Amino acid sequence: KQEVTQIPAALSVPEGENLVLNCSFTDSAIYNLQWFRQDPGKGLTSLLLIQSSQREQTSGRLNASLDKSSGRSTLYIAASQPGDSATYLCAVHQAGTALIFGKGTTLSVSS
Amino acid sequence: AAGVIQSPRHLIKEKRETATLKCYPIPRHDTVYWYQQGPGQDPQFLISFYEKMQSDKGSIPDRFSAQQFSDYHSELNMSSLELGDSALYFCASSLGAGYTDTQYFGPGTRLTVL
Repeated sequence: KQEVTQIPAALSVPEGENLVLNCSFTDSAIYNLQWFRQDPGKGLTSLLLIQSSQREQTSGRLNASLDKSSGRSTLYIAASQPGDSATYLCAVHQAGTALIFGKGTTLSVSS
Repeated sequence: AAGVIQSPRHLIKEKRETATLKCYPIPRHDTVYWYQQGPGQDPQFLISFYEKMQSDKGSIPDRFSAQQFSDYHSELNMSSLELGDSALYFCASSLGAGYTDTQYFGPGTRLTVL
């Protein structure tokens, strides 16, 4: 059974710092991996999707990498801002089911 | 750009009542997914539909049922509600079976069962 783990569970950084969020999964037979942002009590905003054949995707200050064989993905956030404060979830999509989520990393960026 | 629409946004029900949640996917999207997110939990997949047919099934209780209609909107019907059903229910849509496509999530319906 697929398990998705995100480390750390919480992270506090000062504004301007570059940071890395980690996601690992136990079954490498995935179609794709998606990173989301969730503000408290709100919906999920898709940040980046990486297909299983891809190694990385970039959008603005965000860069996500995927190493399918080792079951790892990272989300790199450059020059963090207070507005980046939120919970970041990674999720994998595999056959027979929809997205399987990790429990998220709650990020707090102080000004 | 148009997004996924869910209604109602908030719903309060008593135990043993029924509830119906509606989802309107992004125009031209033919796949709908339902997820349940309990307090402090990660979203859990319930069920999905592709071209009006059930495609995958997750941890959906037998008390729940869902369908996708000819206009691609979907409804999640929940009966004999329990306190533990209190959660945020998300609908997501994608174009195609979703294996390679981004799933776009709606704002969610917050269900409170008293």
